[in-house]
Amino acid sequence: AQSVAQPEDQVNVAEGNPLTVKCTYSVSGNPYLFWYVQYPNRGLQFLLKYITGDNLVKGSYGFEAEFNKSQTSFHLKKPSALVSDSALYFCAVSALYGGSQGNLIFGKGTKLSVKP
Amino acid sequence: DAGVIQSPRHEVTEMGQEVTLRCKPISGHNSLFWYRQTMMRGLELLIYFNNNVPIDDSGMPEDRFSAKMPNASFSTLKIQPSEPRDSAVYFCASSLAGQLTYEQYFGPGTRLTVT
Repeated sequence: AQSVAQPEDQVNVAEGNPLTVKCTYSVSGNPYLFWYVQYPNRGLQFLLKYITGDNLVKGSYGFEAEFNKSQTSFHLKKPSALVSDSALYFCAVSALYGGSQGNLIFGKGTKLSVKP
Repeated sequence: DAGVIQSPRHEVTEMGQEVTLRCKPISGHNSLFWYRQTMMRGLELLIYFNNNVPIDDSGMPEDRFSAKMPNASFSTLKIQPSEPRDSAVYFCASSLAGQLTYEQYFGPGTRLTVT
């Protein structure tokens, strides 16, 4: 069965410092991996994805993530954090049914807090 | 594009009443998903449709919950009768399955409060 783990409930970073939000996954077959962000009282917004190709994926708002097959990880990173990056971040993996897309399986989320 | 549209944005109802949540997916998308989010349980998939056909409803809590997708541009999630433990934010999402995209686009959610 597919699963996603986000080991940190909260990550605290000072503005201007690099940030990392961790994600590990377990899938049978090739993983399709995603990061979403949720601001208070809003729906989830798509940030980036890994489907195939380059292991370093660049997404919205300066975020990037690195797919590491040997470590089954897909950590979210940003070189310089902004206060406005403070939000809830979700990692997700896509389950496949017969090679077709199924639902997304989400991690429990990591709250990112960026202090001035 | 207007994105995924959900209505109502907020719903307050009394226990035992019927609640209907509505969703309009992004035009051209062929998969639709209903999720529920609570502090205790996080984000849970309730059901999803592909080409208007329910594919997986294993996340639907019990028979009080039902979902329909009569056409490609509309879906409903109904709770009858509602209970206080159904209080949550319900999200609808859509995607274009079958392409190398797979990402889902979420609506703003419906905040349901059952008293």
